Amino acid sequence: EAQVTQNPRYLITVTGKKLTVTCSQNMNHEYMSWYRQDPGLGLRQIYYSMNVEVTDKGDVPEGYKVSRKEKRNFPLILESPSPNQTSLYFCASKLADGGYNEQFFGPGTRLTVL
Amino acid sequence: AQSVTQLDSQVPVFEEAPVELRCNYSSSVSVYLFWYVQYPNQGLQLLLKYLSGSTLVKGINGFEAEFNKSQTSFHLRKPSVHISDTAEYFCAVSDRGAQKLVFGQGTRLTINP
Repeated sequence: EAQVTQNPRYLITVTGKKLTVTCSQNMNHEYMSWYRQDPGLGLRQIYYSMNVEVTDKGDVPEGYKVSRKEKRNFPLILESPSPNQTSLYFCASKLADGGYNEQFFGPGTRLTVL
Repeated sequence: AQSVTQLDSQVPVFEEAPVELRCNYSSSVSVYLFWYVQYPNQGLQLLLKYLSGSTLVKGINGFEAEFNKSQTSFHLRKPSVHISDTAEYFCAVSDRGAQKLVFGQGTRLTINP
């Protein structure tokens, strides 16, 4: 089944404790992206990647890191989480061949930073 | 740069009543337009999209939306809602040729029996 998977789905942590949220897709998509969803703000892009070893900042990149060492994986790293990073996070992927291609979303990761 | 404004944060309606969720966008270039639905505790699902051609777009679950270029709007409508339509709805825009989706703030649709 074609899908985007995220792990963990739920995470409660404390301020300053490094964490990684994994994202994997099995559709051979070039483009992958991370969003955070907050009430009243919708989804905002954190980082995106056009292909392996190619990443760039989105609209709210502060406090986050990403890497794209393999085409299928795009982990989101919080080196020193803070309470304002408590949010619902979505990973997404799509083909990037120049035309329109649907963006597929993962199930989300709900992160709470105490 | 694009932006999207969803004019209502919450919309309560009675079951079997019609509903319209409003969306306005701003962009200096031609765009693609989308509506996504998020059911409680689930991810995002594409409801419908406008790429080109007919301005009236039909999607899943009986929803439709109309692209109005002069008013820069893409309102979502359903003639008769069901309890199962209770969800949050997001309007989004994408620059043609770009990969990035820009989302609105979301509209929470609540269906009352």
